[in-house]
Amino acid sequence: KAGVTQTPRYLIKTRGQQVTLSCSPISGHRSVSWYQQTPGQGLQFLFEYFSETQRNKGNFPGRFSGRQFSNSRSEMNVSTLELGDSALYLCASSPQRKGYEQYFGPGTRLTVT
Amino acid sequence: AQSVTQLDSQVPVFEEAPVELRCNYSSSVSVYLFWYVQYPNQGLQLLLKYLSGSTLVKGINGFEAEFNKSQTSFHLRKPSVHISDTAEYFCAVSDRGSSYKLIFGSGTRLLVRP
Repeated sequence: KAGVTQTPRYLIKTRGQQVTLSCSPISGHRSVSWYQQTPGQGLQFLFEYFSETQRNKGNFPGRFSGRQFSNSRSEMNVSTLELGDSALYLCASSPQRKGYEQYFGPGTRLTVT
Repeated sequence: AQSVTQLDSQVPVFEEAPVELRCNYSSSVSVYLFWYVQYPNQGLQLLLKYLSGSTLVKGINGFEAEFNKSQTSFHLRKPSVHISDTAEYFCAVSDRGSSYKLIFGSGTRLLVRP
């Protein structure tokens, strides 16, 4: 099976712009989670989707949003980018409804200038 | 709220020596426990997991970990490391009630020297 894929792999944006990141889960996986990784804050949970419904959201401002499509692919959007949004954004998918085993993609490296 | 502590930010070790990376979590409620490895410019790869049953779990690449409920620990061990084991290692926990949300430790960089 193909692994979790994320596009694009690298992205450079300017403050104030918005960005959309995409994640394709492993075939058959219905749960998709997003994480932000920074040197200062480490790995932090953003949100998780299952069957097109957001089940939980981490402690991030409303500028961070996401959605899941009927084919389980997911996108996350960050509006009004700030310098502090520079990070590696990781997507993970899981086959289980409870999602206790997550498989991660390679991430999207976002740089905000 | 659940939290994970990895006390060692960096662990240097010589090749073929044993290594232990420490992980403690905050809550004694029923949890799932994981160790992930991250190589430079890559995502996270699952090394091993504890869901239930035997407290000693074996993973890929010769790693193993022991779940200790009384000490709320889940330390990772390998009897003999290789240069290729140089990477960042993350311990993670999820509550069984919300197991889709992983709480990660701050990571331990394992540096294997020849």
